[in-house]
Amino acid sequence: AQSVTQPDIHITVSEGASLELRCNYSYGATPYLFWYVQSPGQGLQLLLKYFSGDTLVQGIKGFEAEFKRSQSSFNLRKPSVHWSDAAEYFCAVQSGATNKLIFGTGTLLAVQP
Amino acid sequence: DAEITQSPRHKITETGRQVTLACHQTWNHNNMFWYRQDLGHGLRLIHYSYGVQDTNKGEVSDGYSVSRSNTEDLPLTLESAASSQTSVYFCASSALSLGGSDTQYFGPGTRLTVL
Repeated sequence: AQSVTQPDIHITVSEGASLELRCNYSYGATPYLFWYVQSPGQGLQLLLKYFSGDTLVQGIKGFEAEFKRSQSSFNLRKPSVHWSDAAEYFCAVQSGATNKLIFGTGTLLAVQP
Repeated sequence: DAEITQSPRHKITETGRQVTLACHQTWNHNNMFWYRQDLGHGLRLIHYSYGVQDTNKGEVSDGYSVSRSNTEDLPLTLESAASSQTSVYFCASSALSLGGSDTQYFGPGTRLTVL
């Protein structure tokens, strides 16, 4: 069965520091992978997605993610975090056959001044 | 601009009442989805539809129903609201591309409280 694991429930980083949010997936075929961000009281906004090709994917707001098939991972990174990046981040895997998304439980990011 | 809207944004109801949450999209997308978001669970799929007159159950469909009479709308009905259905509900839509890649676009959510 497909599943997504985000091992870190809560992360705190200092403004200006680098960030890496972990995501591991379980899926039999080549996965379609997504990162969404949710600001407090808001809906989900797509940060980036991986369908095929280059394993390093660039997204909005300076985020990037790297697909590593050997590790079943799709970690999200940002070189320098801004206070406005404080939000909850969700990794998701999609079945190409059904278009259904399976979400991880999310990682809540806090940014210290 | 195309968008996806949900109404109401906040709803308080009593146990046993029937509640309907609206979802309307102007993307002309064929696929529509309903999720609920709960602490510790992320988002879980309730129901989804691939087009008019098509509906399918997701992983947490008990106590919920949907109907798809046109492309733009997928209302979610709680037949008899229970306290366990207190949650934040998100609607999403995506273009038709079964077997290929796709991106879901989400509405702003409806916060439902069942007392």
